[in-house]
Amino acid sequence: DQQVKQNSPSLSVQEGRISILNCDYTNSMFDYFLWYKKYPAEGPTFLISISSIKDKNEDGRFTVFLNKSAKHLSLHIVPSQPGDSAVYFCAASGETSYDKVIFGPGTSLSVIP
Amino acid sequence: DAGITQSPRYKITETGRQVTLMCHQTWSHSYMFWYRQDLGHGLRLIYYSAAADITDKGEVPDGYVVSRSKTENFPLTLESATRSQTSVYFCATRGGSSYNEQFFGPGTRLTVL
Repeated sequence: DQQVKQNSPSLSVQEGRISILNCDYTNSMFDYFLWYKKYPAEGPTFLISISSIKDKNEDGRFTVFLNKSAKHLSLHIVPSQPGDSAVYFCAASGETSYDKVIFGPGTSLSVIP
Repeated sequence: DAGITQSPRYKITETGRQVTLMCHQTWSHSYMFWYRQDLGHGLRLIYYSAAADITDKGEVPDGYVVSRSKTENFPLTLESATRSQTSVYFCATRGGSSYNEQFFGPGTRLTVL
């Protein structure tokens, strides 16, 4: 059973609009959450993270929201740009650096010019 | 300074053959990881290593062997390749200020015929 779920395999958004990528998790022990971005034929790259003590973290056009009671997080990209077209992986881990990171299946985002 | 490299980038082999995928890092990060990426599953952890000569199983270790005699190298061996091991394999390290942020290599696409 997947501990980290991304129920939308793909998402298509017009350039300039907001992209919202969703992620749900089942393990209440997860304490740290990350988003990675992956272009074809490249390895994933770290995008943004959030600790469970926060409910929002912002970095430029990217904002991650965390709702611990619902075990749900989302990544907002505003405004969306064609270069944002990629696969986005949600990931979660426990509170220590020894905890393994569990990745979701990914959402493929297409930003249409 | 390439950071983290993987070789080969592409490999085709036959069922039953032994295959070794190489991973090399120049950062001296303690932690190293091997993942496989399959459609619908995201990134699944095969093995990881906390330091030289310390390795441990991940989520899907069966059919794989790892070693880490030096901090910078973390080879992954498929002792007798099977078709189900056709996948894209990513090596990653962990270090830096964000303790759970991982740095990924470019990946190896392995096809087992």
